[in-house]
Amino acid sequence: DGGITQSPKYLFRKEGQNVTLSCEQNLNHDAMYWYRQDPGQGLRLIYYSQIVNDFQKGDIAEGYSVSREKKESFPLTVTSAQKNPTAFYLCASSDPGWDTQYFGPGTRLTVL
Amino acid sequence: KNEVEQSPQNLTAQEGEFITINCSYSVGISALHWLQQHPGGGIVSLFMLSSGKKKHGRLIATINIQEKHSSLHITASHPRDSAVYICAVLGGAQKLVFGQGTRLTINP
Repeated sequence: DGGITQSPKYLFRKEGQNVTLSCEQNLNHDAMYWYRQDPGQGLRLIYYSQIVNDFQKGDIAEGYSVSREKKESFPLTVTSAQKNPTAFYLCASSDPGWDTQYFGPGTRLTVL
Repeated sequence: KNEVEQSPQNLTAQEGEFITINCSYSVGISALHWLQQHPGGGIVSLFMLSSGKKKHGRLIATINIQEKHSSLHITASHPRDSAVYICAVLGGAQKLVFGQGTRLTINP
């Protein structure tokens, strides 16, 4: 089955630790995205990548980093510089025509 | 003011009722998406609209480009329709801008 996988579903980390969230897709999409969702707020764009080896900052990139070494993978690292990292993180990809946005199941990160 | 505003923020209805969720936006767009998010967090794309109206089963989505407004309707609502419905617009730089979502609860 084609789709997007994110792992893990729940993640707990101590304050000050970096953590990497995984996102893999087998849809052959060039474009991939990372969003953050907080209670009562809309999804906000952290980073996006429209092609391998290239990525752009979104609206709230501070404290995060990404890489896009392979078309199917777009991992997100939440660094210790992110002031309020506890949130629900969603990865997505889209086809060139933007007809459909495909979302992963999300990772809920809690920093203790 | 947010670029994408949804109303209502919360909606509770009885099974069988006709449901309308509204989305207004203030930016120029090339397309508008309606998404559904279930309690577990996963998001499913329902519709992508650039004009007119689309229908899928009991769901109908309309868009008025001149008025910068879209509506999502659910006919014969059912408890399994309970979810958060999110409007997102595709603006410049091929990036989506999201509304804050409408939490819909359908009681049996």
